[in-house]
Amino acid sequence: DGGITQSPKYLFRKEGQNVTLSCEQNLNHDAMYWYRQDPGQGLRLIYYSQIVNDFQKGDIAEGYSVSREKKESFPLTVTSAQKNPTAFYLCASRSQTSGGGYTFGSGTRLTVV
Amino acid sequence: QQQVKQSPQSLIVQKGGIPIINCAYENTAFDYFPWYQQFPGKGPALLIAIRPDVSEKKEGRFTISFNKSAKQFSLHIMDSQPGDSATYFCAASAYAGGTSYGKLTFGQGTILTVHP
Repeated sequence: DGGITQSPKYLFRKEGQNVTLSCEQNLNHDAMYWYRQDPGQGLRLIYYSQIVNDFQKGDIAEGYSVSREKKESFPLTVTSAQKNPTAFYLCASRSQTSGGGYTFGSGTRLTVV
Repeated sequence: QQQVKQSPQSLIVQKGGIPIINCAYENTAFDYFPWYQQFPGKGPALLIAIRPDVSEKKEGRFTISFNKSAKQFSLHIMDSQPGDSATYFCAASAYAGGTSYGKLTFGQGTILTVHP
């Protein structure tokens, strides 16, 4: 079955550490996105990529970094520069030519301990 | 101009009621309007979507009403059930030219609670 896989489901980070969240899709989608969701809040765009080897900052990119070396993969690194990283992180993908909706992964909950 | 404003923030109805969630937008270039349903601890899932060439679309108990002149669209849930309790997000995007579509702009979300 096609879909998006995010791993791990839960992640704990010590202050000052960088952590990388994985996002893999087998939908052959061109575009991939990372969102942050805080309790009771909406979706805030961190980074997005419309083609391999290219990505753009979203609304809250500070303290985060991404890469897009393969069409299937769009990992997100939460760096030590991100002051308040505890949140639910969602990855999504979309076909740029169909104009349809996003397919979301099941999310990674990151907690700073 | 890129915002999508969603209301209400939260909504409580009794089983069988018809909750209505509203969204308004300013960007007249938006041409795709999906609704997403999210359960706690899960990713949002596409529920239903509409394009501006129709004023209403129905899928099961879920209906989108679209008013192009008012730049508003709404989600109606008929015969609501406790299992419909979730957070609902509206969104919009515009055709970006060529074979490309722009990213979705999301509303702030509505937390729906359906009491038995």
